[in-house]
Amino acid sequence: EVQLVESGGGLAQPGRSLRLSCAASGFNFDDFAMHWVRQAPGKGLEWVSGISRRSLSVGYADSVRGRFTISRDDAKNSVYLQMNSLRAEDMARYYCAKGFYGDYAPGLVDFWGQGTLVTVSS
Amino acid sequence: EPVLTQSPATLSLSPGARATLSCRASHSISSNYLAWYQQKPGQAPRLLIYGASSRASGIPDRFTGRGSGTDFTLTITRLEPEDFAVYYCQQYSSSPFTFGPGTKVEIK
Repeated sequence: EVQLVESGGGLAQPGRSLRLSCAASGFNFDDFAMHWVRQAPGKGLEWVSGISRRSLSVGYADSVRGRFTISRDDAKNSVYLQMNSLRAEDMARYYCAKGFYGDYAPGLVDFWGQGTLVTVSS
Repeated sequence: EPVLTQSPATLSLSPGARATLSCRASHSISSNYLAWYQQKPGQAPRLLIYGASSRASGIPDRFTGRGSGTDFTLTITRLEPEDFAVYYCQQYSSSPFTFGPGTKVEIK
């Protein structure tokens, strides 16, 4: 059974940083891309970032490019999202999601974690 | 990247009814890389349909996806109580991979 467990969310002041983690199990992590998708309270879904297997390539939404960095550690079956220079509009639940393919593009995701909540407020 | 619009915003139907949800793209989605997800309150989304018409593993056959190019539909032939939820379409052809604003299927 695929399991994705996010952690690292919480309260951060505008301009500060947070690092999200996602621990994966139940599938061969090395073979698949991983993604982060977020959902602001009461709003729709927004793809944030994706990373291909073996970290071959990465992609970002325009809204986070230059501030967020995605990475993975295949030895730990984990993917991370380093979020710097946080803004109020970054406040959302962040979902870790398993890619359907080995490359992050095409960006189809087939399993989601339960998410971790990021609050940005002074 | 294509911008996706979904209609209607809300669909009020009775259990057993047929639901037809629409997703329209601002320009053609290559390879029909269009997916549908279901999200229930307090839960993560779940993949229903990919490639416009392929059902994901474990998805009942009352869910059917159709369409190509810029116009796509998700049909639920007989609504079960567990089908009342929000449905999102997503284009996964070109980064950034965009979602539609969602259609809420609610009990009438």
